Amino acid sequence: NAGVMQNPRHLVRRRGQEARLRCSPMKGHSHVYWYRQLPEEGLKFMVYLQKENIIDESGMPKERFSAEFPKEGPSILRIQQVVRGDSAAYFCASSPRGVRGGELFFGEGSRLTVL
Amino acid sequence: GIQVEQSPPDLILQEGANSTLRCNFSDSVNNLQWFHQNPWGQLINLFYIPSGTKQNGRLSATTVATERYSLLYISSSQTTDSGVYFCAGGNTGANSKLTFGKGITLSVRP
Repeated sequence: NAGVMQNPRHLVRRRGQEARLRCSPMKGHSHVYWYRQLPEEGLKFMVYLQKENIIDESGMPKERFSAEFPKEGPSILRIQQVVRGDSAAYFCASSPRGVRGGELFFGEGSRLTVL
Repeated sequence: GIQVEQSPPDLILQEGANSTLRCNFSDSVNNLQWFHQNPWGQLINLFYIPSGTKQNGRLSATTVATERYSLLYISSSQTTDSGVYFCAGGNTGANSKLTFGKGITLSVRP
């Protein structure tokens, strides 16, 4: 059973470009969480999705950031018009039933660098 | 939301030493996990431990849910134990998520 798969592992963008980060949850998992980690800091919650629904986006910046988890395919975290402050590691986690269902499993992260 | 405090913030050990890492929560949690982030940035699940005690090799963890804290014990530390240790907690409310502490940076010296 493959783990949580994230791609790309590393992404370099210039200011003003768009970044798309993808997350394929573990097989059988329909709950996906996105977290952001700035250098030397802990992980900050961004958004919680179930298939085709955004459950909690309280950690998402109001502008330029969006997330989706379509019926088919991976979850996508999209950052439009990137700025240098968006440089961070973005982690995705999945679980079969969310926090109430037990353990969350994390992918290896996508590291975004904005030049 | 839930606040998570970890202590100490940094820890330096000589190889072979034992250590205890602590995690306090501001509110009751019924999902609690410990993670190790290795020097390559990977997050490794150590324990899912909303209550009780678990052991896995040289690592063990205890959560006292009524007092809102958890402890991670590392015995006979090795250089490969170096990295950052995070605890994260959440409750089983409908929209719950895991809230992370700031982490404990452990350096084990040979």
